[in-house]
Amino acid sequence: EDQVTQSPEALRLQEGESSSLNCSYTVSGLRGLFWYRQDPGKGPEFLFTLYSAGEEKEKERLKATLTKKESFLHITAPKPEDSATYLCAVPQTYNTDKLIFGTGTRLQVFP
Amino acid sequence: DVKVTQSSRYLVKRTGEKVFLECVQDMDHENMFWYRQDPGLGLRLIYFSYDVKMKEKGDIPEGYSVSREKKERFSLILESASTNQTSMYLCASSLLGANVLTFGAGSRLTVL
Repeated sequence: EDQVTQSPEALRLQEGESSSLNCSYTVSGLRGLFWYRQDPGKGPEFLFTLYSAGEEKEKERLKATLTKKESFLHITAPKPEDSATYLCAVPQTYNTDKLIFGTGTRLQVFP
Repeated sequence: DVKVTQSSRYLVKRTGEKVFLECVQDMDHENMFWYRQDPGLGLRLIYFSYDVKMKEKGDIPEGYSVSREKKERFSLILESASTNQTSMYLCASSLLGANVLTFGAGSRLTVL
């Protein structure tokens, strides 16, 4: 069964305290892994797509990496404005137009 | 700037009422989607459409229908609202064959 699991559910960091969020998936023949950021009261906003194991993408303080079974979103020296819920998603095995989303990691960064 | 606009940010309806949620995109995207988002359950796909007048069921289509008469507009219809349909509804669009979704701001529906 296609599944996406994110951990931890919530993460509280002090400003400048680096950490990582995890996204593990079970689909056959991965056709991309997608990271989104969602601010309270808003729709998710696209961050990155990763397609193959070993691939990395960076944007400001965020770096996404991919292995055959999971992806990590590394946050280096976070700032309060990085506070948001981070979602990952993968296309379903038998219908790649449909994304399966994880339940997200709610990140709070305190000054 | 690319945009997906959902007509209502907040709605309060009574059980049994018919509810229309409207979504318009200005990016000429072929695909449009309706998700609902609930705490602990994440985003779940209700319906999607890859062309005008075409629709496909998502993972939780029961109690919902959709309409796509024009490429830019995708409507979600609750024929008879129930309390378990209280949720945040998110519309999204993408190019055909692409999974990068652009989301609207969401419509928070409360059914009393």
